[in-house]
Amino acid sequence: GQNIDQPTEMTATEGAIVQINCTYQTSGFNGLFWYQQHAGEAPTFLSYNVLDGLEEKGRFSSFLSRSKGYSYLLLKELQMKDSASYLCAVRDGFNKFYFGSGTKLNVKP
Amino acid sequence: GAVVSQHPSWVICKSGTSVKIECRSLDFQATTMFWYRQFPKQSLMLMATSNEGSKATYEQGVEKDKFLINHASLTLSTLTVTSAHPEDSSFYICSARVSRKGAEYNEQFFGPGTRLTVL
Repeated sequence: GQNIDQPTEMTATEGAIVQINCTYQTSGFNGLFWYQQHAGEAPTFLSYNVLDGLEEKGRFSSFLSRSKGYSYLLLKELQMKDSASYLCAVRDGFNKFYFGSGTKLNVKP
Repeated sequence: GAVVSQHPSWVICKSGTSVKIECRSLDFQATTMFWYRQFPKQSLMLMATSNEGSKATYEQGVEKDKFLINHASLTLSTLTVTSAHPEDSSFYICSARVSRKGAEYNEQFFGPGTRLTVL
């Protein structure tokens, strides 16, 4: 089976840095994805990791450790518009995506 | 970029009726599309994988006779919720997999979702 865990909710201040963790136990691994989802909207792609290490894309970075079944999404210079849910998703060997429950991020002024 | 549309964006129906939701890839061909369901404050749950020209593959616990999937062309997949009941009220999202030559991974692009409310 697939088990993907994320914190339910986090709060951070505008301009700060926040790290959202994701741990997974899946039967088959072929990449880990992070998506952003605003309420009532479809998810949008943020980042992808398939090898260990850090991938940086502007204000967003994502890290993966396959041996630990662990990833995190790092958001720098937080903006109010970053308030959203962040979904961790693991792709298995059959190209199916399995999503975590999502982390709701609240950015305060 | 790859754009996926869904129609309708929202629908309200009476209990016992059937509802069809369309998922289209607008500027690319998608041999594989996925259907997800999302209940309030929960994450996306994969319901089924829709393959063009063949039967859909359903996840465990999803009734294939209740959620009919048809992937008749490379740009269109439909999900029909048959004999809908209030517990079927949810946000249904489709996605299409893009296979890009030379790309290191196949990316999924999501449709905007369809909010179904069954009275």
